[in-house]
This record gives sequence, structure tokens and C-alpha cells, in this order.
Amino acid sequence: GALVYQYPRRTICKSGTSMRMECQAVGFQATSVAWYRQSPQKTFELIALSTVNSAIKYEQNFTQEKFPISHPNLSFSSMTVLNAYLEDRGLYLCGARDLAGKNTLYFGAGTRLSVL
Amino acid sequence: GDQVEQSPSALSLHEGTSSALRCNFTTTTRSVQWFRQNSRGSLINLFYLASGTKENGRLKSAFDSKELYSTLHIRDAQLEDSGTYFCAAEARGSALGRLHFGAGTQLIVIP
Repeated sequence: GALVYQYPRRTICKSGTSMRMECQAVGFQATSVAWYRQSPQKTFELIALSTVNSAIKYEQNFTQEKFPISHPNLSFSSMTVLNAYLEDRGLYLCGARDLAGKNTLYFGAGTRLSVL
Repeated sequence: GDQVEQSPSALSLHEGTSSALRCNFTTTTRSVQWFRQNSRGSLINLFYLASGTKENGRLKSAFDSKELYSTLHIRDAQLEDSGTYFCAAEARGSALGRLHFGAGTQLIVIP
């Protein structure tokens, strides 16, 4: 079956520092990966959509300078939160699309970011 | 404004009873997914629908793309069904993977 491994599960960083999270698709080809953030008491916001061999498209309020993403092949993607501050706290989720599975988006377990 | 209106926001069910969650969409929707978020934050896939209905055990979901809504029925609720349920819509014409999430329904199943 389709699985998405995301790590780390939980991380704490000091204000102004950066942290990187990774997403690994297992059992399917992740031609596109979507990164979402769930802030405390909120629903999910799309950060960016990444498709292999295409430009990464960021949503309004999110930039490459703040959330650089790498998607080098069909099984791996990473995103970094640069200069993290309190407003960046939340649960970050990567969702990988399985075209063979009729466009179903499978999510990793998420990376919970706390900022001190 | 919000493209996905999910209701109710919270729901308590006694074990063995049944209920339904609903999402209304304000724009033409290509597909809908339903998830359950467990206490650790993981999003568990429940259904993907481009049309019609699907059933899996005690769960059943329907998507009416013409009337712009989707429902998730939970039959014979069990304690392990507790969690927060989200619907997520993919608008017609939007990029694949661009989902609009509802605000969630926090379900508590009571013994």
C-alpha cells in the first residue's frame, strides 16, 4: 500500500533558527507533493505544491525564501523552515499524490514544530 | 471566504449510535477526501470520492458534485472512532493536490 514517512515527528528549535523536515513516499511514485501547515486551533493551510521537474508553486503568505522545498525525485521531498518564530509553530504535513490511486493524497504523520 | 463549510464542529456520540458529518462547498468541486486526525496529529485516509458513494465497514461517504456537498456517515460508533474528522475538497480547475480543508469535526464517542 501507499505510505508516506515524514520525519522528524517532533522538533523544538530556538527562535531565529531553522529546521528541516523530510518526506518519503513508499510503495508509490509521488509525482507531486503538497506541504500543509496546521496552526494551533486552525485548519490546514497549503504552503506549496511541488511537482517533479516543474517549478514549486507557493501559496499567498508563503515564500521560497522562508520555506525552501526540495523535490529531487519521485520518492523524496524536504522542506525547511528558515528563521523560525512563534507564528511558525504548528503541525507540518506533507501529502503525496499517488496517480495510480486515482489522485488520492496520502499524508505523512506530520512534523510538530515548537519554537522557544 | 471559506470554500468548505463543515458541520458540526463538535459531536458526542454514545457507543453504538450513528450520526453524519457534512461538508458544503461554495465552488465546483472535482473530488473530496475525508480524513480522521488522531491524537498524535496523523491524518488517516478514510475516503476519496470523485462522485457517488463509498462504504468501508461502519463508515459510508457520499459526494454530490452537482449539489456541492459531501457527507460522512458513522454507524454503530465505537470508542476508537474518536478524533477530529476533516473533509478536503479539490476545486475543479485547481492544481492537483491543492485541497481546501473544512474546519473539522471533533468527535467524542462516549462509553
